[in-house]
Amino acid sequence: NAGVTQTPKFQVLKTGQSMTLQCAQDMNHNSMYWYRQDPGMGLRLIYYSASEGTTDKGEVPNGYNVSRLNKREFSLRLESAAPSQTSVYFCASSQNAGSNEKLFFGSGTQLSVL
Amino acid sequence: KQEVTQIPAALSVPEGENLVLNCSFTDSAIYNLQWFRQDPGKGLTSLLLIQSSQREQTSGRLNASLDKSSGRSTLYIAASQPGDSATYLCSPRVKAAGNKLTFGGGTRVLVKP
Repeated sequence: NAGVTQTPKFQVLKTGQSMTLQCAQDMNHNSMYWYRQDPGMGLRLIYYSASEGTTDKGEVPNGYNVSRLNKREFSLRLESAAPSQTSVYFCASSQNAGSNEKLFFGSGTQLSVL
Repeated sequence: KQEVTQIPAALSVPEGENLVLNCSFTDSAIYNLQWFRQDPGKGLTSLLLIQSSQREQTSGRLNASLDKSSGRSTLYIAASQPGDSATYLCSPRVKAAGNKLTFGGGTRVLVKP
């Protein structure tokens, strides 16, 4: 049982380049999330998908797009990367919003934009 | 907007000492609160989840308490070990925010042998 799998683990981009971060979960969870983690800023929600076919903005959505490809997969796209998007990106999933719902995280993607 | 504060930001203790990590939040209308552990270069691992109706939750040497009315949670780690060295984050799930969790900045713990 792999849990939440993210690819790639590391990526270096030049300003203006585009890329897609991939995330897949094998726990049959309905909800999936993308976070970024920056020193001094903590974890901030970029986008989330409460269920297959739906996506919503989080706290810091500007410069990103997402696709909930199916129940398992939720991708994050940077159309034109900027140095401010240098960060560690985490994908997470959970069964549903509710009173007894744990969040499961992937191991992260370290992205540098030069 | 939910604000989550964790104090202290960093903590260094000798092996065997008990750890007390604090988390405070401004919106007490929560579904639950989770405590996570993050090792350097890794993702977050859920340690404990306390439902809004609970006062505490225990798992092995870990005990988490929740005082929803005052907006506080405390994570206790008994008889600390060097393997407990990590960053610990708390995250309340606010009812008004639906699927959006807010995280504290974390407490970085170092347990010295």
